Amino acid sequence: DAKTTQPPSMDCAEGRAANLPCNHSTISGNEYVYWYRQIHSQGPQYIIHGLKNNETNEMASLIITEDRKSSTLILPHATLRDTAVYYCIASRRLDSTSYGKLTFGQGTILTVHP
Amino acid sequence: EAQVTQNPRYLITVTGKKLTVTCSQNMNHEYMSWYRQDPGLGLRQIYYSMNVEVTDKGDVPEGYKVSRKEKRNFPLILESPSPNQTSLYFCASSPGQGAMFEAFFGQGTRLTVV
Repeated sequence: DAKTTQPPSMDCAEGRAANLPCNHSTISGNEYVYWYRQIHSQGPQYIIHGLKNNETNEMASLIITEDRKSSTLILPHATLRDTAVYYCIASRRLDSTSYGKLTFGQGTILTVHP
Repeated sequence: EAQVTQNPRYLITVTGKKLTVTCSQNMNHEYMSWYRQDPGLGLRQIYYSMNVEVTDKGDVPEGYKVSRKEKRNFPLILESPSPNQTSLYFCASSPGQGAMFEAFFGQGTRLTVV
């Protein structure tokens, strides 16, 4: 799996967009970018994933640069409940004969303040 | 409701006393795994299972056993717990065949070995 680099911490005001960057400059062509978050000692929660196109779901948007060396997770209207550790993971997709392991780094601690 | 259920949530035990942490999922997922989380070390995979009766070691398997006799259950067994196994444990499950993007995690088991 490609190594990912994230800032250790970020702040965001409630109601504003939170933009969390992730660098994955050594990502290979068959590796996806996943985002998870972990709210204080709870189990990690899947947020979104993508390969090369931008993606959006009910939780967030994922913007991947054209060269795929970096990405940004966007929480459009952050709330206090979005305070969590956010993990960016680059990992290849499973096929019928292998199992992909999610390798969590240190992540970014996002603090949303009133 | 789709969920991964771990029991117990909290456990304090003594060195050498065998224990089992149960994990059950109700999503008919093929893949299940166990992680431990320690401060400064992040989440590390202990064991994983690709399907019933198919298990394999993750990054830190020493001192642990697992079994997968039924698709829904994946217990973690500590035959002779030691203090260095004091940790926060998470069970996870995900669909098979290329759909590992969305892994569901349990709420965690905080284990203390004294």
